[in-house]
Amino acid sequence: DIQLTQSPSFLSASLGDRVSITCRASQGIDNFLAWYQQKPGKAPRLLIYAASTLQGGVPSRFSGSGSGTEFTLTINSLQPEDFATYYCQQLNTYPRAFGQGTKLEIK
Amino acid sequence: QVQLVESGGGVVQPGGSLRLSCAASGFTFNTYAIHWVRQAPGKGLEWVTAIWSDGNEKHYAESVKDRFTISRDNSKNMVYLQMKSLTVEDTAVYFCAREGVDYQDGIGFYYEDYWGQGTLVIVSS
Repeated sequence: DIQLTQSPSFLSASLGDRVSITCRASQGIDNFLAWYQQKPGKAPRLLIYAASTLQGGVPSRFSGSGSGTEFTLTINSLQPEDFATYYCQQLNTYPRAFGQGTKLEIK
Repeated sequence: QVQLVESGGGVVQPGGSLRLSCAASGFTFNTYAIHWVRQAPGKGLEWVTAIWSDGNEKHYAESVKDRFTISRDNSKNMVYLQMKSLTVEDTAVYFCAREGVDYQDGIGFYYEDYWGQGTLVIVSS
């Protein structure tokens, strides 16, 4: 089974900052990777799929990159609504897997 | 608009059973795979199971294999998750999610684009 490891697990940043979250897969998954945002008590929200394709309605300050085993989610110019937990998910094979999450907090 | 609504959660004793339901509306249900994802209190997301649009193919996480069964009724726009031999480790909010696909250069890229609000399952004596 494929495992995903996100880093860091916690990230503290200020409004207007640029931040990056890394997701590493235990084996190559081409670019079959998605990123989700989750706020407390809410369902996850799809941000990016195919490693770099922005889901409709998602602000352009979010971007994704990577292929194979290493992927990055970048958020430019952090806004108040961006403070949340972020998850990557591999969609290359079953069983599907999520990373353990990265909690982005306000500094 | 696309809607997924879970129900059936509650408190159950260890070793017990429970059936969750996911009611879908606002899209052509019989053309989409549906997944269940769970989240234990204060923990991350865990993928649980998926069923293809025609119900002919199903996949399970190792942690629930042989205990959970996913099914669907395309005439009712419903997906079900039958859970048995429940343990405290199954305590979680259970979300159902629709699987979307985007074809790029002939390759299908999948994702979970719509999610329900979740239903809470508590396994406790």
